[in-house]
Amino acid sequence: KNQVEQSPQSLIILEGKNCTLQCNYTVSPFSNLRWYKQDTGRGPVSLTIMTFSENTKSNGRYTATLDADTKQSSLHITASQLSDSASYICVVSARTGGGADGLTFGKGTHLIIQP
Amino acid sequence: KAGVTQTPRYLIKTRGQQVTLSCSPISGHRSVSWYQQTPGQGLQFLFEYFSETQRNKGNFPGRFSGRQFSNSRSEMNVSTLELGDSALYLCASRSGDPTGNTIYFGEGSWLTVV
Repeated sequence: KNQVEQSPQSLIILEGKNCTLQCNYTVSPFSNLRWYKQDTGRGPVSLTIMTFSENTKSNGRYTATLDADTKQSSLHITASQLSDSASYICVVSARTGGGADGLTFGKGTHLIIQP
Repeated sequence: KAGVTQTPRYLIKTRGQQVTLSCSPISGHRSVSWYQQTPGQGLQFLFEYFSETQRNKGNFPGRFSGRQFSNSRSEMNVSTLELGDSALYLCASRSGDPTGNTIYFGEGSWLTVV
């Protein structure tokens, strides 16, 4: 069964600190992996999308890594800001299967940045 | 370029009623997907429409239905509402390739069933 597990479930850090969110998946055959940021009460917004051949992709202070061998991805946030407080969702796409739309969603990591 | 637009943003319904939610995808996008999001459950796939045809369907009861119009706008309907249907309903659009393209989400419609 295709699954995406995210950890930690929630995280609280001080403004200015760095943090790393984890995503482990068992989706096969793998197509791509996406990280989304979802502010409370808003729709998810894409941060990065990585295919099998990509190890790292950055978007400002967000850097995503992918290890297709171990089926792990991480999202690193540098110099956190109050506006980074949100849920971060890992979504893995299969070439076939997965969810009925080919996507398997993690339940997200709820990140809180404290001043 | 306008994003994905969902209406209404908030609504309250009574058990047993029905509700219709609307979604306008990004111009040029022909694929529209619907998701239900509840606390602790993450996003659950409802269905996907492409060129007015339902292409994929999630594991939801028949009370949940949808359709897509020739201009790619989509609606979803939930009949005989139950308390458990209270959720954020998200619409997402993409250009067509189900595995390659970025998915763009709307802001969602908050449904509360009382």
